[in-house]
Amino acid sequence: GAVVSQHPSWVICKSGTSVKIECRSLDFQATTMFWYRQFPKQSLMLMATSNEGSKATYEQGVEKDKFLINHASLTLSTLTVTSAHPEDSSFYICSAMGLAYNEQFFGPGTRLTVL
Amino acid sequence: GENVEQHPSTLSVQEGDSAVIKCTYSDSASNYFPWYKQELGKGPQLIIDIRSNVGEKKDQRIAVTLNKTAKHFSLHITETQPEDSAVYFCAASKGGRDDKIIFGKGTRLHILP
Repeated sequence: GAVVSQHPSWVICKSGTSVKIECRSLDFQATTMFWYRQFPKQSLMLMATSNEGSKATYEQGVEKDKFLINHASLTLSTLTVTSAHPEDSSFYICSAMGLAYNEQFFGPGTRLTVL
Repeated sequence: GENVEQHPSTLSVQEGDSAVIKCTYSDSASNYFPWYKQELGKGPQLIIDIRSNVGEKKDQRIAVTLNKTAKHFSLHITETQPEDSAVYFCAASKGGRDDKIIFGKGTRLHILP
């Protein structure tokens, strides 16, 4: 099956700094990528949908200036959390969908802790 | 928009017994219903899915049923094993390439030895 990777798997940063998370489709071209956020013992909440080469579509309530998403190639999307604060601490998960597949493939997630 | 309700939130079953998780959805336009298993600290993994043109689908010990009229769908795990312990999420989508998947709140399944 298709493989999606995320880097880093975990990151700890100081309040006020920015953190970039990468999501890569390893063996297929991802025309659409999705970014989710998951708080402990809660469900996955969609943050945004990104298509290669175009601006991301953000869900209601998600600050697009705080969570910058770039989908510059068919195998890479990045999520940058700008000026991170402790309340941004969460598990961030991406998923990818390719032309050859009819399902989303999820990455392993990135745990962000903001001190 | 779509709303997916999932029950129960926690389920404990004896090893070897069956487990059933139930979900309802609100948007009649939804036609793709995947189920995901998430282990601690990992991303969700698709374990089975069903589309609205089928009422039931089975894959070894896992089966999913769909009642489109009632907007219900269920996951059945038979002969449960310790490695089935995880959090399970149901979800619904309109099934298009860019259509978002709406997740239920999850069921924490414990398999008791």
